[in-house]
Amino acid sequence: SQQGEEDPQALSIQEGENATMNCSYKTSINNLQWYRQNSGRGLVHLILIRSNEREKHSGRLRVTLDTSKKSSSLLITASRAADTASYFCATDETSDYKLSFGAGTTVTVRA
Amino acid sequence: NAGVTQTPKFQVLKTGQSMTLQCAQDMNHEYMSWYRQDPGMGLRLIHYSVGAGITDQGEVPNGYNVSRSTTEDFPLRLLSAAPSQTSVYFCASSYSTDTNEKLFFGSGTQLSVL
Repeated sequence: SQQGEEDPQALSIQEGENATMNCSYKTSINNLQWYRQNSGRGLVHLILIRSNEREKHSGRLRVTLDTSKKSSSLLITASRAADTASYFCATDETSDYKLSFGAGTTVTVRA
Repeated sequence: NAGVTQTPKFQVLKTGQSMTLQCAQDMNHEYMSWYRQDPGMGLRLIHYSVGAGITDQGEVPNGYNVSRSTTEDFPLRLLSAAPSQTSVYFCASSYSTDTNEKLFFGSGTQLSVL
């Protein structure tokens, strides 16, 4: 079964606005990763946050992790048309090295 | 480096046919895996391998076989295709089995079973 679940399922924003999406998971994790998928393509790794980290930045991306709530958020600042994609969180269960993916958030950035 | 290469990109099968989806990586990655992606369900792990000669089942292994005779190749075999196997299939690899490692994905194979 899926470990992570993203929310919302879909998001439409104006270019220049910020986009925030959330991921909730069920069991303890070592790490949480975020991936992007452009239409018709494979997934591309964006950022990894470890269970002992609370916040991480990479360019226009900001990821937070709250292990007490078993949730993470991905913020994309100053969005661009090229950010139009689906975004997935992926988690590992502590006793396993398999990554489980959520159903994703589809982000549309309008020009 | 080509990264992770999947072939074919598209395939149409009739129910009951068998076929092999090919996956190759040229990054000397230890870990390789197969996922299927269905609308609204995200990616589900089919099979994975932690090294040559070692494979294991993921979340949805039924109807699929894998082997890992070399580090580079990890083919996925559909034994007797069923319409429920209509999906987009992704192969992914990482340098090691450490979950700190990121996955590198192929571009996918879109499979339709009629």
